[in-house]
Amino acid sequence: NAGVTQTPKFQVLKTGQSMTLQCAQDMNHNSMYWYRQDPGMGLRLIYYSASEGTTDKGEVPNGYNVSRLNKREFSLRLESAAPSQTSVYFCASSGFVENEQFFGPGTRLTVL
Amino acid sequence: GEDVEQSLFLSVREGDSSVINCTYTDSSSTYLYWYKQEPGAGLQLLTYIFSNMDMKQDQRLTVLLNKKDKHLSLRIADTQTGDSAIYFCAESRNFGNEKLTFGTGTRLTIIP
Repeated sequence: NAGVTQTPKFQVLKTGQSMTLQCAQDMNHNSMYWYRQDPGMGLRLIYYSASEGTTDKGEVPNGYNVSRLNKREFSLRLESAAPSQTSVYFCASSGFVENEQFFGPGTRLTVL
Repeated sequence: GEDVEQSLFLSVREGDSSVINCTYTDSSSTYLYWYKQEPGAGLQLLTYIFSNMDMKQDQRLTVLLNKKDKHLSLRIADTQTGDSAIYFCAESRNFGNEKLTFGTGTRLTIIP
């Protein structure tokens, strides 16, 4: 099992450009999450999906959109990137059985 | 809303015990977690404790919970260089499949 995979690992964008961060899990989990990690601020939830076909806003959703394409995949889109979106982005998933969220390796995004 | 707070930095000599502290505000918190993040990686669950427990021990790790003061601590005995990481406290209200609220993280540095 690969667990949670994310692509790309690194990305540099110019202000105003768009991009999609991809996430996939092979653990048959119902719930998936997108977080951003900034120094001194811990992890903040951007969006989450409790099950296929549903998405909900987290703490910091502005400037982002998400798609739960199927049970395995949950993508995060930046329509018009801003320097304030420079961060490390983590995808995670969880199921009903384990009391644990499983994290991907992260995407380091820089917006110039 | 929920708030989880931690000190940002802790330095400990190799072989000593490390104690990482966390306070939370949500009295409905049912599960409290400790996650570890090694450099350049995602988070991994270390341990968790149910709110009706005072203590949980797992090899070198001891978790203490003071529910009255909403204070959680993680003690790492015989700290090794491999324990260098960022440690996140997190809380949730339900078991599994539930979004977490994370603290800011404590960066643990081991002094040789």
